[in-house]
Amino acid sequence: AQSVTQLGSHVSVSEGALVLLRCNYSSSVPPYLFWYVQYPNQGLQLLLKYTTGATLVKGINGFEAEFKKSETSFHLTKPSAHMSDAAEYFCAVTLYSSASKIIFGSGTRLSIRP
Amino acid sequence: EAQVTQNPRYLITVTGKKLTVTCSQNMNHEYMSWYRQDPGLGLRQIYYSMNVEVTDKGDVPEGYKVSRKEKRNFPLILESPSPNQTSLYFCASSFSSGGMGGEQFFGPGTRLTVL
Repeated sequence: AQSVTQLGSHVSVSEGALVLLRCNYSSSVPPYLFWYVQYPNQGLQLLLKYTTGATLVKGINGFEAEFKKSETSFHLTKPSAHMSDAAEYFCAVTLYSSASKIIFGSGTRLSIRP
Repeated sequence: EAQVTQNPRYLITVTGKKLTVTCSQNMNHEYMSWYRQDPGLGLRQIYYSMNVEVTDKGDVPEGYKVSRKEKRNFPLILESPSPNQTSLYFCASSFSSGGMGGEQFFGPGTRLTVL
């Protein structure tokens, strides 16, 4: 069965600093991987996704993530944090062969220090 | 505007009083799903529907019911709510399920408190 682990329930960075949110997955077959963002009092919205092809995926708001099969990781990065990036971020995984099932990680709350 | 709507946004109720949370999408999506979000647990799937009249259990279906009589609507029913169902609930939809690379669109959430 697939699973998702997000390391660090809370990450705090200074404005302008690198953002790195970690996600590791467990899957016996090639997965589809997603990062969603949740701003306060809102639903989730898709940041980026990996399905097939290029392993470096670019998303909205300057975020990107790299699928590393050997490390079973899909870490989210942004070179320079902005105050508006403060939100909760969820990594999610699903399987090509199990079209109905998407598993979310427990989330990482990102805080930005002025 | 393409969107998923949920009603009500906030609800306080008492144990045992039946309630329904409505979900509607205007994007002609086949797939719809309900999740609950609890601190430290992320989102857990309650029920999902692949199309009209096709529903199936997710990870935490106990105490919930759903129906899919129309493509656009997917109500969540709590026949006899209990305090452990106090949570933040999200409805989501997509053209295909997440497993086929389909992006899920989320509603704004319903915060339910059961006393």
